[in-house]
Amino acid sequence: LAKTTQPISMDSYEGQEVNITCSHNNIATNDYITWYQQFPSQGPRFIIQGYKTKVTNEVASLFIPADRKSSTLSLPRVSLSDTAVYYCLVEGAFGTGGFKTIFGAGTRLFVKA
Amino acid sequence: SQTIHQWPATLVQPVGSPLSLECTVEGTSNPNLYWYRQAAGRGLQLLFYSVGIGQISSEVPQNLSASRPQDRQFILSSKKLLLSDSGFYLCAWGQGVGDEQFFGPGTRLTVL
Repeated sequence: LAKTTQPISMDSYEGQEVNITCSHNNIATNDYITWYQQFPSQGPRFIIQGYKTKVTNEVASLFIPADRKSSTLSLPRVSLSDTAVYYCLVEGAFGTGGFKTIFGAGTRLFVKA
Repeated sequence: SQTIHQWPATLVQPVGSPLSLECTVEGTSNPNLYWYRQAAGRGLQLLFYSVGIGQISSEVPQNLSASRPQDRQFILSSKKLLLSDSGFYLCAWGQGVGDEQFFGPGTRLTVL
């Protein structure tokens, strides 16, 4: 099964771009890469998902190289409210009718004024 | 719109006591349902998932069990709680494998 590795924590300042990289060396052909944001005592919230190359939505971009062994979440111009834990998730079908989802340990992002 | 409910929000239980956490989803049909546990300061661990009524897959062998008696109801149970069962339990739903998962508000369980 694919294991994900992320930095434990990162610091940034308001208005800066933040890039968080996740390593998933054993990702399978059919696996998707998804990123979630979690605030204390709340459930995670979906940010963005991709399979390969680049995906962009209104809040973030996701860069996935051709070998798909890593992915980078890019948050443009962060604000104090972006202080949270960011999880990289690899998920996909497994076996016959099975399913797997592997959450990383998460990256704690601190945004300072 | 879809909503997901979990209760109770917090729970303090003695070691050896039973457990029943309930999760219900509104506004969708035949969702995939998931139970996760998050230990303090840690990431999420998938415990169970279900693709339909009565269909439960277990990811981690332990003293917990799950049931799906109705399409939009998912129950996490234990006959005898352990200290190590303490944590933040999250229920989630999604439309299919790899689709966005929507998480409930969670239940914080403390086993003493």
